[in-house]
Amino acid sequence: DQQVKQNSPSLSVQEGRISILNCDYTNSMFDYFLWYKKYPAEGPTFLISISSIKDKNEDGRFTVFLNKSAKHLSLHIVPSQPGDSAVYFCAASAVVSSGGSNYKLTFGKGTLLTVNP
Amino acid sequence: EPEVTQTPSHQVTQMGQEVILRCVPISNHLYFYWYRQILGQKVEFLVSFYNNEISEKSEIFDDQFSVERPDGSNFTLKIRSTKLEDSAMYFCASSEGAMGQPQHFGDGTRLSIL
Repeated sequence: DQQVKQNSPSLSVQEGRISILNCDYTNSMFDYFLWYKKYPAEGPTFLISISSIKDKNEDGRFTVFLNKSAKHLSLHIVPSQPGDSAVYFCAASAVVSSGGSNYKLTFGKGTLLTVNP
Repeated sequence: EPEVTQTPSHQVTQMGQEVILRCVPISNHLYFYWYRQILGQKVEFLVSFYNNEISEKSEIFDDQFSVERPDGSNFTLKIRSTKLEDSAMYFCASSEGAMGQPQHFGDGTRLSIL
């Protein structure tokens, strides 16, 4: 099941610079997208989300961009801090065609971000 | 900040035994979920629960699995007869609503089947 793909297993960035994490999806029914951060031995922590009716959502240092035609989204972290070092998961959900709600999240494999001091 | 809590943090069980994983969702949330992550693999959806019934389940969630909300605060996942391949991290999540509402996760229970 490769409906949500994070093709970069890892990313290394200098403190203060921009981190860009990418995610691609194949299911055109996805209409709500989320980014989670995960530290070892903890659960995924919700960071930011975006609905398919928008192309950008910003919350402090975190901005998510959505390109529906390319089925691509990205998470920008500016400026990056050492405490941002974690695994970042992209996730998506869809409204099923019957008009109901498909509640499940489909996750990517994650990208390990390392922010170096 | 309210959080989802899961117990135990680590459960070791003999193959064939029953196991119950417990979760206390965020108190004003109405939708509850279980996910699992096998080591080195993606986080996978198991089941969603709303209004005291299952709203969706995945192929993984077969007859060996069940969920229950025995009281106003707990949400449990039971595996009737565990197999070696059930070894994984099990995450509980909850959300205030369904669509357009983020799911908030607990720290997980590491289930080890011997």
